[in-house]
Parts: sequence; C-alpha cells; structure tokens
Amino acid sequence: EAGVAQSPRYKIIEKRQSVAFWCNPISGHATLYWYQQILGQGPKLLIQFQNNGVVDDSQLPKDRFSAERLKGVDSTLKIQPAKLEDSAVYLCASSRGQGTYNEQFFGPGTRLTVL
Amino acid sequence: AQSVTQLDSQVPVFEEAPVELRCNYSSSVSVYLFWYVQYPNQGLQLLLKYLSGSTLVKGINGFEAEFNKSQTSFHLRKPSVHISDTAEYFCAVSDQGSGGSNYKLTFGKGTLLTVNP
Repeated sequence: EAGVAQSPRYKIIEKRQSVAFWCNPISGHATLYWYQQILGQGPKLLIQFQNNGVVDDSQLPKDRFSAERLKGVDSTLKIQPAKLEDSAVYLCASSRGQGTYNEQFFGPGTRLTVL
Repeated sequence: AQSVTQLDSQVPVFEEAPVELRCNYSSSVSVYLFWYVQYPNQGLQLLLKYLSGSTLVKGINGFEAEFNKSQTSFHLRKPSVHISDTAEYFCAVSDQGSGGSNYKLTFGKGTLLTVNP
C-alpha cells in the first residue's frame, strides 16, 4: 500500500512570495489533515478535511493560508504572502475516517524556508 | 483544551541501556494518548496508543508505555535500545469528550533520543 505522498520535499522562497504544497493521501482515506511543524515544536493541526468538506480550520491563519480538497482525494495548501515565521515543515496525514480508532498516517513533509 | 509536556528535550543513552521518555498531559476531560516516532527526514509513525483497558500498552519496536491517570502521565519505555532507535519522539493527546468523532491530536514538543555506541 502506497503511503501519503507530498511534494515538493523542500522549498525556499522570499518573504511576501506565494507557495503551494501538494498532498496525495492513501487510497480510500476519507480524512486528510495538514499540520505545521516549526523547528523545536510538535506538529500543530492547521486544517482537517472529511472528503471534500472542512471539519476543523480553527488554527489556520486564514488571512494568508488556504487549503482545498476539491475532489475529496488530493489536497493543496497555499500560503500567500509568506512571512518569515512560516518557515516550518508542513506535514500531510490521512486516515480512513475521523474517529480516534482510525490511525493517522503521515507523509514525509515539505520543508519550507522563508528568507 | 488539553496540553502535553515532554519533560526532556534531549535524551542521550548508550546502546543496550534502558530508556524512559517522559510525558505529562493536562486536560479537563478524559483523553486518549499516543506516542509517535519521527526518523530524520521522514513523517511521523505511530508507536503505540492508549484508548481504554489495560494501562500498560505495548507498541512496535519493543516500546511500551504506562498510562497513569492520577499523575496524568504516559511515559514511554524500552528496556534495551539500539542505534536504530535514534529519532525524535512525540507524545500526543486527543480529547475523548468529542466522542472520538473528531480525531484532533495535540502534540508535545518532542524528545530527541540519541543512542550512542
């Protein structure tokens, strides 16, 4: 079974530029998560999708971050414009469903550096 | 709201020595507890989880953890570590109060375990 795929693996941009990350979850997984992991901290949930609907985006900085999962499969996370403090690893995870008994499987992450 | 405190940011040990990584949580409701491992340049992998039942939970790679409700702790242990256990370990909590219908994890800051020969 293929794991969660993310691209690109690394991205370097200057502040005020835009950037987009892509995630392809495990086949058949209805729930998709985007996390932000700042150096020295644990991952923080940004947004959770159930199929193509948003379940929780309470910690997403909506003035600059946006995410979509139009067909309920792959997803993109966009930052526009980027700030220095957005430098982090962005992790995508997926699970079969929303409940706690559904294990979250994580992708390798995209490391973003904002100069 | 819940929070997780991992008391040690770094733990160096020698190969074949025992190790304990400490985790304490704070929550006003009952919780589910998890330990994840992150190898360099990889995503997180679930080591073990406590949902209910026995407070001693066994996971992959010889790790185990014990849920202590009175001390609000969920410490991770391994009796004999290997070089390959070198990684970052994250403790996480999920609120049971949501009925498990919204699986939202709150992570600690992580503990870097370094196993030396």
